[in-house]
Amino acid sequence: GDSVTQMEGPVTLSEEAFLTINCTYTATGYPSLFWYVQYPGEGLQLLLKATKADDKGSNKGFEATYRKETTSFHLEKGSVQVSDSAVYFCALSFGGATNKLIFGTGTLLAVQP
Amino acid sequence: EAGVTQFPSHSVIEKGQTVTLRCDPISGHDNLYWYRRVMGKEIKFLLHFVKESKQDESGMPNNRFLAERTGGTYSTLKVQPAELEDSGVYFCASSQTGTSGSYEQYFGPGTRLTVT
Repeated sequence: GDSVTQMEGPVTLSEEAFLTINCTYTATGYPSLFWYVQYPGEGLQLLLKATKADDKGSNKGFEATYRKETTSFHLEKGSVQVSDSAVYFCALSFGGATNKLIFGTGTLLAVQP
Repeated sequence: EAGVTQFPSHSVIEKGQTVTLRCDPISGHDNLYWYRRVMGKEIKFLLHFVKESKQDESGMPNNRFLAERTGGTYSTLKVQPAELEDSGVYFCASSQTGTSGSYEQYFGPGTRLTVT
């Protein structure tokens, strides 16, 4: 079935370090891809999305490119801040009547000053 | 505008007891979703309401789970009787519906359920 696999955490970085969180997917069709972020004590927030191959989603300095050939949607940021500490979830959806999201296991990012 | 709210934020119950979780979606959002994250695993879809109707309940684990959305506003998810494996964080999300389908899902903070 359709699924999302993302790198296990926790990922611990120093402030201003480069971030990559890997995400790959298995899908029978051509889904939309998402990154959600959950800050401590809060709900999930949509960070960025891409709806077709080669699209790049970006927000708050984060980027991810929809790579159909490698079925990947890796999250990157050039210089992380302490405030980026959170759990990051990669997800896919086929839209349609339900538009349900299929998530990965989440990756905890801890940024140290 | 108020976001998605969930109550309670945390519930601890004994195996065999009943628990009811509540979700208040963003006003005007016809779509309401329930998801669950069991410890350390992925967030899994449980079901989807459109207004008061169940559009997709394919993710409901078994008949101990009952979801309702009377009047198409808030929703409740009842677990009866609770089992140890029901422990986890239950998320609710809501979204609008447009001509091109559903829009972005907005999530609540979740209810952490612990069954002992």
